[in-house]
Amino acid sequence: AQSVTQPDIHITVSEGASLELRCNYSYGATPYLFWYVQSPGQGLQLLLKYFSGDTLVQGIKGFEAEFKRSQSSFNLRKPSVHWSDAAEYFCAVVRNNNDMRFGAGTRLTVKP
Amino acid sequence: ETGVTQTPRHLVMGMTNKKSLKCEQHLGHNAMYWYKQSAKKPLELMFVYSLEERVENNSVPSRFSPECPNSSHLFLHLHTLQPEDSALYLCASSQDKGFPGNTIYFGEGSWLTVV
Repeated sequence: AQSVTQPDIHITVSEGASLELRCNYSYGATPYLFWYVQSPGQGLQLLLKYFSGDTLVQGIKGFEAEFKRSQSSFNLRKPSVHWSDAAEYFCAVVRNNNDMRFGAGTRLTVKP
Repeated sequence: ETGVTQTPRHLVMGMTNKKSLKCEQHLGHNAMYWYKQSAKKPLELMFVYSLEERVENNSVPSRFSPECPNSSHLFLHLHTLQPEDSALYLCASSQDKGFPGNTIYFGEGSWLTVV
């Protein structure tokens, strides 16, 4: 069964516009949730993670994500996108202590 | 620079060749991982090593053979691969195996093309 779903394969936003990337998970207990970014030709870089506590998590590069248990979601947001944010974004969930599963990714294009 | 270095960055090999991918981490971590990233598919965990001992093998074909000689180095030996094995192979490491206390750090990947 799919553990994490990223509904949007590709999103295009204008530079300076706000951004929201969606992530939904399917897991009974409270999962551990992550967002990674992959620039072209690069490995994955951790943006932020949620384990417990405050459901609004701040990350690097001005990104934040909000855990909503009622919606089984962990959407990534940024108020103002920069051209350098163009990349592939991956949501990941840890289903038990060791099993980390990734979504298929969302490719972000930034228009000038 | 994430502290995880992979070589080669690009590799083209024939189906009868034998080659190896190398990964080195400079972070003092105890756990290392191999992931496969294919186009339009989620990352797939292939192998997990903790303190040089293989602790997970996610039904990976035997034509992929990992080796972890010490906690800083991880290899993926390749032989008689198929064209569908062409992908980006990502190495990663974390302080220890298991969550939530650990963060996985990825290398830049090795692009493999099987012809």
